[in-house]
Amino acid sequence: EIVLTQSPGTLSLSPGERVTLSCKASQYVTSSYLAWYQQKPGQAPRLLIYGASTRAAGIPDRFSGSGSGTDFTLTINRLEPEDFAVYYCQQCGSSPWTFGQGTKVEIK
Amino acid sequence: EVLLVESGGGSVQPGGSLGLSCAASGFTFNNFAMSWVRQAPGKGLEWVSSITGNGDITFYADSVKGRFTASRDNSNNRLYLHMNSLRAEDTAVYFCARFAVSIHSFDVWGQGTMVTVSS
Repeated sequence: EIVLTQSPGTLSLSPGERVTLSCKASQYVTSSYLAWYQQKPGQAPRLLIYGASTRAAGIPDRFSGSGSGTDFTLTINRLEPEDFAVYYCQQCGSSPWTFGQGTKVEIK
Repeated sequence: EVLLVESGGGSVQPGGSLGLSCAASGFTFNNFAMSWVRQAPGKGLEWVSSITGNGDITFYADSVKGRFTASRDNSNNRLYLHMNSLRAEDTAVYFCARFAVSIHSFDVWGQGTMVTVSS
């Protein structure tokens, strides 16, 4: 099983700041199979990034993804109030499909 | 509008059974693999099961293998999850999600249905 480890666990930031979230895989993950999701309290997750770096439909360009192999990153430029949420990385290149434990981005 | 709506959640005693349903609309259902993903209270996301578009192949997490069965009715655009031998650790919100093979990700999610396993 591929374990995805996200760091940090929680980030306390102010609107307008730039944030970088890390997702490290225990084994190689083909970039095509790495996605990022955003989840707000009481809501379903929402797809942000697929293929490690491609924004999903309707996702603002302040969100960007990068990385390859075992190290992947989600960057949010100029945090907006609606961006405070939990972010998960996920891989579907190897069964079982797995999610990271999540990074919470909270308002400072 | 593309929509997934889950139903069937509720409370059940350990060892009991429960069936979940997910109604899909707004897209050609049989063109997409579908999945169940769950989230225990205050915890992260866990993939549970996936089923191919024509329903001939299913995949399960080890934690539910042999106890849960995913199925689909493409004529009625519905996805199902039948859960047997339920345990306290199965307590979670269960989401159905559309898996887009072209982008290898869950691109549409339902709002979730809560399953509580408790005596």
